[in-house]
Order: sequence, then structure tokens, then C-alpha cells
Amino acid sequence: QVQLQQWGAGLLRPSETLSLTCAVYGGSFSGHYWSWVRQPPGKGLEWIGEISHSGTTNYNPSLKTRVTISVDTSKNQFSLRLSSVTAADTAVYFCARHGGSDYFQHWGQGTLVTVSS
Amino acid sequence: EKVMTQSPATLSVSPGERASLSCRASQSVSSHLAWYQQKPGQAPRLLIYGASTRATGIPARFSGSGSGTEFTLTISSLQSEDFAVYYCQQYNIWPYTFGQGTNLEIK
Repeated sequence: QVQLQQWGAGLLRPSETLSLTCAVYGGSFSGHYWSWVRQPPGKGLEWIGEISHSGTTNYNPSLKTRVTISVDTSKNQFSLRLSSVTAADTAVYFCARHGGSDYFQHWGQGTLVTVSS
Repeated sequence: EKVMTQSPATLSVSPGERASLSCRASQSVSSHLAWYQQKPGQAPRLLIYGASTRATGIPARFSGSGSGTEFTLTISSLQSEDFAVYYCQQYNIWPYTFGQGTNLEIK
């Protein structure tokens, strides 16, 4: 049974860097893509980017200049860094595992990140 | 970027009735379309992928149809636990994009 458990700082000041990590328990880490998705309060879902177990990344062009997704296969973990945050980056951030294709089959519990001065 | 548009924004249906939710893509996404259910305070839950394949453990009352630019999620007989927000997502091309959601509420 696949479980994703995520953590990271929940309150940031403008211009700081958001940092979240997602640990994967159960199932195979290799052979899958792993993504970050965010959801501003009361709004819809936005895909941030993805990474393979070997480190290949793809990012949403809307965030590409500020996003870095990395992977640590020794720990079955992957991480998100988003630089120069503003209030517009306030959202619940989810990690997710892709299924057989690029839909999101398994999700983390979500982490609310608030950007406020 | 492929824009996904869901309609209606809110759908009011009585328990036991049938609900049909629509998702339209700005350009063809072939059958690379997924549906998710989200309840307050929870992560989305995968319902349908490949436009019409139910995910593991999803009841048969959920069905998906369509291809290209027009898709439908149908819930044949609504149960109390089905009232939630539903999102479609295209994974035909980067960036993956979601519709804005349909809020399925009790009538």
C-alpha cells in the first residue's frame, strides 16, 4: 500500500524560499514519476512540476524560473523548493505519485503554506 | 497550455438521482483525461483515468466517457458520500492542467 507523507515549513515571509519534502512508503519508488500540485485556499488545482526516480524534471512554465524539484532515491523522498515567494504562493501543497501514465494515483496529505509579512 | 473548462460550476442533485458533469478541453487531449473527487480538508482522490477506466476501488456507479475535447463524468445513483468537488485533469501534454471544478451539492 503506497503512502506519501509530506512536511515542511508552514509560514513564510515574502521573498523567502518554500521547502517541502515528501517521503514514499510502500510500492516501488523507481519506475514512477512524482509531482507537486498546489491549491490556493478555496480555489482549484495547479500542477507545479514532476521528477522521475532518475532525476528527470519537467516544470510548469508559470513557475519554472522559481521551482526546483529534487529526488533522494536512498531515502525514497523527493522535495520541492520555490524561491522568492509572495502572498500569491499561499496554498495547500500536495505531493503525488503518477499512475501508469501522468495522472495522479496517490496523494500526500497536503501542507498549508502561508506567505505573510 | 490546454485549458480545461468544467460545467456547471455547481450542480444540485438529490440523493439517488443521476449526475452528469462536463469537462471540455481547448484542444484535443485524446483520452488522456482523469477525474478526481475532493472533499473538504482532503487530498483529491483519483476516480477515472484514460477518460473511462475506473481506478482501483472506485464503485461502478462512477463512469467516464468522451475523447478529444468533450468528456463526461456520470454518477448513476448519488450516495451521500458522493457530494464533493470534482476536477478533471488532462495529461496529454505539459503542463498538466485541471478544470476549475464542479461542486456537487445536495438538493
